Amino acid sequence: NAGVTQTPKFRVLKTGQSMTLLCAQDMNHEYMYWYRQDPGMGLRLIHYSVGEGTTAKGEVPDGYNVSRLKKQNFLLGLESAAPSQTSVYFCASRAWTGGAGQPQHFGDGTRLSIL
Amino acid sequence: TQLLEQSPQFLSIQEGENLTVYCNSSSVFSSLQWYRQEPGEGPVLLVTVVTGGEVKKLKRLTFQFGDARKDSSLHITAAQPGDTGLYLCAVLLNYGGSQGNLIFGKGTKLSVKP
Repeated sequence: NAGVTQTPKFRVLKTGQSMTLLCAQDMNHEYMYWYRQDPGMGLRLIHYSVGEGTTAKGEVPDGYNVSRLKKQNFLLGLESAAPSQTSVYFCASRAWTGGAGQPQHFGDGTRLSIL
Repeated sequence: TQLLEQSPQFLSIQEGENLTVYCNSSSVFSSLQWYRQEPGEGPVLLVTVVTGGEVKKLKRLTFQFGDARKDSSLHITAAQPGDTGLYLCAVLLNYGGSQGNLIFGKGTKLSVKP
């Protein structure tokens, strides 16, 4: 009963390094999301995907890229990490629905520090 | 400007006390969700309210959606240490290409001491 799995759980990077965060879901959900959570700022949407092969920008997309080559996976990339990207990153997925109420299912987060 | 204002931002109480937290906006929403996030974990959905004036109960938690669908409250009766966590409200945006995206409030961080 995995749900949404994020890897890695922790990572420390130096400024300018690149890395990819992986999100995998086993619920056959169409929608997937990447958020960042910062103290006093709440959860902010970075990018999202409404299906395999599609991606779209959220509220704070600058400095990040994403890919959804397979339905179950959503990758978040940092090409050149900056200290301002130090945060906790959450991935979520949701089933398609024509109405309200479907929950977003979250992973347990990736804690990323940029030195 | 924050779409959803949650209050209080922090709340520390003793076990057995009652409490209410609020989620307010000047906008009207078709539905509103409450999530709880425990330390080191992702948010988990508690409830979705969709009808103005709706009241939903989940054990000791009572959720209410305002009559005008602009605000919501969460009341916890006889709080327990297991209720400790960050309580987030969220609303669904349904316009343009962002259908299905949630906007979150900043949350109320609740600490229940034994």
